[in-house]
Amino acid sequence: RKEVEQDPGPFNVPEGATVAFNCTYSNSASQSFFWYRQDCRKEPKLLMSVYSSGNEDGRFTAQLNRASQYISLLIRDSKLSDSATYLCVVNRGNNNDMRFGAGTRLTVKP
Amino acid sequence: EAEVAQSPRYKITEKSQAVAFWCDPISGHATLYWYRQILGQGPELLVQFQDESVVDDSQLPKDRFSAERLKGVDSTLKIQPAELGDSAMYLCATSSQFEAFFGQGTRLTVV
Repeated sequence: RKEVEQDPGPFNVPEGATVAFNCTYSNSASQSFFWYRQDCRKEPKLLMSVYSSGNEDGRFTAQLNRASQYISLLIRDSKLSDSATYLCVVNRGNNNDMRFGAGTRLTVKP
Repeated sequence: EAEVAQSPRYKITEKSQAVAFWCDPISGHATLYWYRQILGQGPELLVQFQDESVVDDSQLPKDRFSAERLKGVDSTLKIQPAELGDSAMYLCATSSQFEAFFGQGTRLTVV
């Protein structure tokens, strides 16, 4: 079993739809959590950090459930420009060790 | 804006040849990672440095891969000999505390 697991996707949604991605992690000592976005043939870039209280950035909402070792990302009112692969990232804390999920591919269609 | 520099951007090499990649981190970033990403998959950690010391190289195929960060600044990743299955994107990332910043990567094709 991989340390960070994500919905395999792909997700194909129409513009304006709401879509949610899930991620689970196995290392209970993990300390910080992130969602990264990766466009085709580009490097990953930070989308948002994930806090225990949940956090929102415009159309994007991230949630963390430490008890269930579960992270989610909700995208409301999807735009064509949201089409990308979304990577769940877990920082295990010791030595700043960052582990990536396999990514979930999203395609938003007109 | 400071960025992680990687070179070359693209590399085509024949199998059994040696190949090397270079990474120059954002100034002051103590943590440096090398990841390998196969098309359609997430980045897989190969090696992590804290300053000049290796923190984690458990996933590095040490029979053919080597990595160094001699002065705790820039880093090189070497493959010798290259195999067809090594074709992938090799990403360098650096971090000062939590967020990791990635370079544009080196796309390796082994023929």
